[in-house]
Amino acid sequence: DGGITQSPKYLFRKEGQNVTLSCEQNLNHDAMYWYRQDPGQGLRLIYYSQIVNDFQKGDIAEGYSVSREKKESFPLTVTSAQKNPTAFYLCASRGLSEKLFFGSGTQLSVL
Amino acid sequence: SQQGEEDPQALSIQEGENATMNCSYKTSINNLQWYRQNSGRGLVHLILIRSNEREKHSGRLRVTLDTSKKSSSLLITASRAADTASYFCATDAYDYKLSFGAGTTVTVRA
Repeated sequence: DGGITQSPKYLFRKEGQNVTLSCEQNLNHDAMYWYRQDPGQGLRLIYYSQIVNDFQKGDIAEGYSVSREKKESFPLTVTSAQKNPTAFYLCASRGLSEKLFFGSGTQLSVL
Repeated sequence: SQQGEEDPQALSIQEGENATMNCSYKTSINNLQWYRQNSGRGLVHLILIRSNEREKHSGRLRVTLDTSKKSSSLLITASRAADTASYFCATDAYDYKLSFGAGTTVTVRA
């Protein structure tokens, strides 16, 4: 998966709980992205970061939060405000080649 | 917002046949990219075509881009069982984001 590591592979969330998905890259890329994928659908952008200490909301940011304190790391927190969190979450990074490198994903389910 | 829309949604072909899928988009783009996703995995980049290019080849893949019609096509020649996957187009509209379509699911029958 090209230097992007997502963990855990599977995650379960209880009602009212915040959970954090990890994304680490060793490609020295400035830009990082979080996408959500629902069954049979395409990818929808949650948040993206072009540089350390800066990030922007994507199309479906409500109920999610991110931080970008290090170039290598872009964790995503799914908060209790996200009422329908069950989905496959994909992290990606992008360098000068303009193409995205994806991690292997985290499947989040609600208990 | 999802700018790219793939057509068809699903495609089933015999091994050795060609597979063609299309992507339409709405706004001006810097480039258009195609990705493959095997079930339950991350996406893998296949090919990038810039707005000033009309056709690009990579191995058994051929991509065309028609900016006047805001459409692109991906052709996979001489398909193999390993080509079974979902294929997505993604548009880069000069805003540092890539917008993905819903994808085409390709099944290659042995």
